[in-house]
Amino acid sequence: AQSVTQLDSQVPVFEEAPVELRCNYSSSVSVYLFWYVQYPNQGLQLLLKYLSGSTLVKGINGFEAEFNKSQTSFHLRKPSVHISDTAEYFCAVSRAEAGGYQKVTFGIGTKLQVIP
Amino acid sequence: DSGVTQTPKHLITATGQRVTLRCSPRSGDLSVYWYQQSLDQGLQFLIHYYNGEERAKGNILERFSAQQFPDLHSELNLSSLELGDSALYFCASSPRTSGYNEQFFGPGTRLTVL
Repeated sequence: AQSVTQLDSQVPVFEEAPVELRCNYSSSVSVYLFWYVQYPNQGLQLLLKYLSGSTLVKGINGFEAEFNKSQTSFHLRKPSVHISDTAEYFCAVSRAEAGGYQKVTFGIGTKLQVIP
Repeated sequence: DSGVTQTPKHLITATGQRVTLRCSPRSGDLSVYWYQQSLDQGLQFLIHYYNGEERAKGNILERFSAQQFPDLHSELNLSSLELGDSALYFCASSPRTSGYNEQFFGPGTRLTVL
């Protein structure tokens, strides 16, 4: 079975400071990796995804993430956060199961609180 | 706007009742996923339909059921409601079965069971 661990449930950070939201996964096979963001009172939307190729993935709103296969991590980073980045961030992992079905598992989420 | 619509936005009902939540996927998307989001359990996958057929089940209670209709909209039926069923229910769609495809989430239905 696959699992996704988001190590921090809440991350407070001052405006214009850098931030890293951590995500680790467990899987014995190749996976696809995603980060989603949920703004207050809204559904989730995709920030970025890793399918293959370059391990550094750039997404929307200045976010990027680095896939590290040896550490089974996919941490999300932003060099300078804005108040508008206050939201909940979900890491997700997709892997093929028996019969070719692709199962997606979401982490429990990390609440990013940007402090003015 | 993701292109996924959900109705109603809010639903308040009493314990023991039955409700139906509706989801219309993005135009052309064949897959519909249902999720439950609560404060204590986070985002839980409930069930996945692809082109009218059930493809996978997650942590869905027996009191809950879903279906996807020929026009690809989906309904989630929750019966014998309990206080603990109060949550946000999201549906998401994707072009095929998800995998490398992102899922597009609707705005959710907030269910309150009193």
